[in-house]
Amino acid sequence: GAGVSQSPSNKVTEKGKDVELRCDPISGHTALYWYRQSLGQGLEFLIYFQGNSAPDKSGLPSDRFSAERTGGSVSTLTIQRTQQEDSAVYLCASSLGQREQYFGPGTRLTVT
Amino acid sequence: AQSVAQPEDQVNVAEGNPLTVKCTYSVSGNPYLFWYVQYPNRGLQFLLKYITGDNLVKGSYGFEAEFNKSQTSFHLKKPSALVSDSALYFCAVRDYGNNRLAFGKGNQVVVIP
Repeated sequence: GAGVSQSPSNKVTEKGKDVELRCDPISGHTALYWYRQSLGQGLEFLIYFQGNSAPDKSGLPSDRFSAERTGGSVSTLTIQRTQQEDSAVYLCASSLGQREQYFGPGTRLTVT
Repeated sequence: AQSVAQPEDQVNVAEGNPLTVKCTYSVSGNPYLFWYVQYPNRGLQFLLKYITGDNLVKGSYGFEAEFNKSQTSFHLKKPSALVSDSALYFCAVRDYGNNRLAFGKGNQVVVIP
């Protein structure tokens, strides 16, 4: 079946601009996660959704970062006023309850 | 807090030889342990997991891992490495009741033909 999909695959933006990253989880998966992968920090947890609510958003690095999930499916991660340190690969994952997480291919964000 | 250590940066192994990638973990309760593999410019692919039961778990592509509670380890193994196994391997852990995964820094595996 279809896996987790993310768009865009690559995004180049100027410092100070806002960006939106999209994630389509595996159909029927109730849980959705965002992680960030960068050379200096490795893989970091950002936020977790159960249905449309986010019981754990403790990994968001600043108030410039926000995320929402609608219809228990698609999620959008928004970064406002992007900074160069936001450059990273943003990975989305989904799972059925607390079972193993399946990851999408990621969005590579470059802030110039 | 939950954490994972993968002590080696790179593991080099000759094709056909056994492959071992080391992982130790720290959690406050019972661990849920995972191994993922990442190929260049790709997302993470799930290999195997330990939740409960037998300490030796088998996963995809001939990989297995052994859970050792006393040593808090979950080493990944493959009896005979292939060149196509060259990739970045991540160990991850989460506490029961906690949904976020904590990842190790990753190990680059290089299988030499």
